[in-house]
Amino acid sequence: KNEVEQSPQNLTAQEGEFITINCSYSVGISALHWLQQHPGGGIVSLFMLSSGKKKHGRLIATINIQEKHSSLHITASHPRDSAVYICAAHLNFGNEKLTFGTGTRLTIIP
Amino acid sequence: NAGVTQTPKFQVLKTGQSMTLQCAQDMNHNSMYWYRQDPGMGLRLIYYSASEGTTDKGEVPNGYNVSRLNKREFSLRLESAAPSQTSVYFCASSDPGARRVDQPQHFGDGTRLSIL
Repeated sequence: KNEVEQSPQNLTAQEGEFITINCSYSVGISALHWLQQHPGGGIVSLFMLSSGKKKHGRLIATINIQEKHSSLHITASHPRDSAVYICAAHLNFGNEKLTFGTGTRLTIIP
Repeated sequence: NAGVTQTPKFQVLKTGQSMTLQCAQDMNHNSMYWYRQDPGMGLRLIYYSASEGTTDKGEVPNGYNVSRLNKREFSLRLESAAPSQTSVYFCASSDPGARRVDQPQHFGDGTRLSIL
């Protein structure tokens, strides 16, 4: 069992739909990252959070420390949002190394 | 802004050949990382360096060596390539801050490596 698990593995939606990608982890963490990997392969950091909620444009990330769960939401989805979204966590405390989920492949159909 | 630069972008090797993947960052970061990405698996840490002159093994270090040449550069060497090392390799850097987790990691564009 992976220490960081994402769901769903694949998600296809129509343009404009509200998207939710989930991430759960099995031990305490000090921080969690959401990353985006485009079809060309490059990886970009979207959010880093250790509590509460962060928003950037149409993207919202939330984390519930007690439930060991984080979600990434995309409002008014657009085909350019099509990418792989990766959750990664600093497991335990003071650990700068990241443990990665296997990613969620999101496809937005026009 | 260059960020993290990896070379080469693509490489095909024969089993037993050696090669070095280069990584350089221009953000004055202390920490640098090498990951591999395989289908169906999350990114896995091969080696990391918390500062110039120090390196530590990650989750999958076997078959690899690294060198932190200076603060900017962190290279990954395959001494005798094996087909199991066919993968996409990413270099990343960060400045973790006092709590070691305060800052995001910045990734290079990756190196697609095929071992025949």
